[in-house]
Amino acid sequence: NAGVTQTPKFRVLKTGQSMTLLCAQDMNHEYMYWYRQDPGMGLRLIHYSVGEGTTAKGEVPDGYNVSRLKKQNFLLGLESAAPSQTSVYFCASNILAGGPYEQYFGPGTRLTVT
Amino acid sequence: DAKTTQPNSMESNEEEPVHLPCNHSTISGTDYIHWYRQLPSQGPEYVIHGLTSNVNNRMASLAIAEDRKSSTLILHRATLRDAAVYYCILRDSDNYGQNFVFGPGTRLSVLP
Repeated sequence: NAGVTQTPKFRVLKTGQSMTLLCAQDMNHEYMYWYRQDPGMGLRLIHYSVGEGTTAKGEVPDGYNVSRLKKQNFLLGLESAAPSQTSVYFCASNILAGGPYEQYFGPGTRLTVT
Repeated sequence: DAKTTQPNSMESNEEEPVHLPCNHSTISGTDYIHWYRQLPSQGPEYVIHGLTSNVNNRMASLAIAEDRKSSTLILHRATLRDAAVYYCILRDSDNYGQNFVFGPGTRLSVLP
């Protein structure tokens, strides 16, 4: 099992450019999440998905869009990147919501917007 | 949402036990207590979780107060590899990802 993988690992964008971050999991998990982590801070939830074809907003959704067309993939899009979106982005998945279920995290994507 | 409070940082010597405290005075009856840690330049990884009783696994032990308003993560013999940020998180058994809230955590330094 590869677990949770993220593509790309690093990216530098200019203000106004767009990009898509890809998250893939091979554990057949229903729930997937996108977080961002700014320096010295904990993780903040951007968007999440409770199953194929469904998405919902988290704590900091503005400026991002997501799609979950296949169960194993969760895409995070930035339509017009801003310097405030410079951050490390983590994807995570778990088999069911809440409770005792362990959340598995990817290695992160480090994004710099200049 | 139930919140947790942790010290910003702690220090330990290698091969000594480490007790990482967490306060969660507003915990509800359906909240599980989870601990994750984040090694430098990596994503968070699961350490342990519990509901009411103390728990042990190969990585650590979790001691939960009788009133559940606090808990302690115990690393029995700290190694240099245990230097990380440790997050104490409450997860409601009924809700979705919105309530999985990461605070700033406790940065553990392990001295050789």
